Amino acid sequence: QVQLQESGPGLVKPSETLSLTCTVSGGSISSYYWSWIRQPPGKGLEWIGYIYYSGSTNYNPSLKSRVTISVETSKNQFSLKLSSVTAADTAVYYCARVNPSLWGQGTLVTVSS
Amino acid sequence: EIVLTQSPGTLSLSPGERATLSCRASQSVSSSYLAWYQQKPGQAPRLLIYAASSRASGIPDRFSGSGSGTDFTLTISRLEPEDFAVYYCQQYGSSPWTFGQGTKVEIK
Repeated sequence: QVQLQESGPGLVKPSETLSLTCTVSGGSISSYYWSWIRQPPGKGLEWIGYIYYSGSTNYNPSLKSRVTISVETSKNQFSLKLSSVTAADTAVYYCARVNPSLWGQGTLVTVSS
Repeated sequence: EIVLTQSPGTLSLSPGERATLSCRASQSVSSSYLAWYQQKPGQAPRLLIYAASSRASGIPDRFSGSGSGTDFTLTISRLEPEDFAVYYCQQYGSSPWTFGQGTKVEIK
């Protein structure tokens, strides 16, 4: 069955760029919308943005100036870049297929020097 | 931005009881694009309900969703031990997509 797996550094320094990749296995990335969501420790969920397999994107305005989501269909992957991070960006980051909904297990990214 | 307000913050119930969770939107949710998720500690959220009232694949029929416009409800008819968790509503009808702050259903 289709599975999603996040990968990337678990520790990022303040002011640097957070980079994560989501690998889709067991199915094709084509013909779906794919999303990133984050959850600070002990807090609620925040939608970061989504990308269609063709490359069109939609971002949360609260993060739009710092976020880039891209897709690489040949690798069945999509990626998140969040620039100029601060401690407030510390969170579990989830990748997800939009419809039908399917989430990765999440990966904790800590912003600290 | 549509703000979703969930109530109550915490619901203390016993197994076998009925749980009623509320999600109120600051403006009408387009086409009832309202979903409910369940999250257990250390796990990713799991979709329970989409389009306000449609159960996701594999979700037991004790979970039901209702509502339209600005008022939505998730009902768990008879709580099972595995249902004690945090529940989030989400609207995906207008950008930015937003989540409620969550309702924790705990064992009384």
